[in-house]
Amino acid sequence: DTEVTQTPKHLVMGMTNKKSLKCEQHMGHRAMYWYKQKAKKPPELMFVYSYEKLSINESVPSRFSPECPNSSLLNLHLHALQPEDSALYLCASSQERNRPRKFNYGYTFGSGTRLTVV
Amino acid sequence: QQPVQSPQAVILREGEDAVINCSSSKALYSVHWYRQKHGEAPVFLMILLKGGEQKGHEKISASFNEKKQQSSLYLTASQLSYSGTYFCGTEIINAGNMLTFGGGTRLMVKP
Repeated sequence: DTEVTQTPKHLVMGMTNKKSLKCEQHMGHRAMYWYKQKAKKPPELMFVYSYEKLSINESVPSRFSPECPNSSLLNLHLHALQPEDSALYLCASSQERNRPRKFNYGYTFGSGTRLTVV
Repeated sequence: QQPVQSPQAVILREGEDAVINCSSSKALYSVHWYRQKHGEAPVFLMILLKGGEQKGHEKISASFNEKKQQSSLYLTASQLSYSGTYFCGTEIINAGNMLTFGGGTRLMVKP
């Protein structure tokens, strides 16, 4: 299995709603990521999980709450979002950098969740 | 800090070559290259881990000048399927797994 699976593919939510985005991989990758991408812009890093622990939070507002229940799953909980949070949310995974160099460190991205906040 | 990519856009005819450049002001652990087609996820093309090392992928190759913290992506004899937005991504030494993307280069290959 060489895929990262994200659900749902599309999500429309009101500013008072609570929703969750899900991400799953079975490649044995121990680093997992959330990125946010606006139209015609590069992906922007939000969170990094390394061995199921949050290692990097790029000053993301608390209305976004990540969770890593196990080495294969990554969630992003959303609450009280703003219309400007509408974007494509991408999950990715990779080998950890401390693995031997024979491993491919390239990131594998999921197809994303297109989120619209109304 | 975000790496700087150039050019921002390229239009080619099938069979023509192109070079996309990426530079960073930080000492780099790695440089990645990805291609993203409209409405799809970024797809990993290649990674460069040490200075002067070239990696190839069919007619697409890349180089990394560790002294200058610069990388270039070479697209040879372009095909229609090469169209998309190319992003370089950089990981900084001692910063852990943290890939930061450049602004992207939109490549259009015409028949």
